[in-house]
Amino acid sequence: GENVEQHPSTLSVQEGDSAVIKCTYSDSASNYFPWYKQELGKRPQLIIDIRSNVGEKKDQRIAVTLNKTAKHFSLHITETQPEDSAVYFCAAFPRGDSSYKLIFGSGTRLLVRP
Amino acid sequence: DVKVTQSSRYLVKRTGEKVFLECVQDMDHENMFWYRQDPGLGLRLIYFSYDVKMKEKGDIPEGYSVSREKKERFSLILESASTNQTSMYLCASSFTRASEKLFFGSGTQLSVL
Repeated sequence: GENVEQHPSTLSVQEGDSAVIKCTYSDSASNYFPWYKQELGKRPQLIIDIRSNVGEKKDQRIAVTLNKTAKHFSLHITETQPEDSAVYFCAAFPRGDSSYKLIFGSGTRLLVRP
Repeated sequence: DVKVTQSSRYLVKRTGEKVFLECVQDMDHENMFWYRQDPGLGLRLIYFSYDVKMKEKGDIPEGYSVSREKKERFSLILESASTNQTSMYLCASSFTRASEKLFFGSGTQLSVL
């Protein structure tokens, strides 16, 4: 089955700097890759996603890139702000698996220092 | 706006107790999921359901069972709680079987003493 690895587990950046979180997946049939953000004490919420027919997607200060050949995808946050501090989860949706369930990475705790 | 509501935010139980965690969604979603969240381990799927009275095991079903008698409600049951089941439990739902976007509840922090 699908396996998703996420790095780093913790990331500390200065406000205004960029942050990059990387994930790799194992199942080449996976075709949908979302990123969820979980602020302290709150529920995870979808912030951006990308499908396998697209290499990059941007939404204001966040972007996601996908390399299907290498089976990895990354979240890029530019001009980080304190409110970006949260735990970020990547995930993969393996179409080859009839169960249709998201497989999550282990999470990255991002701290943006003012 | 989709609402996924978990009945308790914090729960403290004793070893051996039977524990029920309840989840209700108000958007007529077909799919419902129970995840367990532990630091460094991410979100691990316990059980999920595509329809009323249907259930499928996730990646860590041992020690848990589920019930889905109505479309909007999905219950997670710990038959005999153990200390290693102390964790944050997150319920989620999605529109149809092939829907990728999950809507999460706020979570239940369960402590088993």
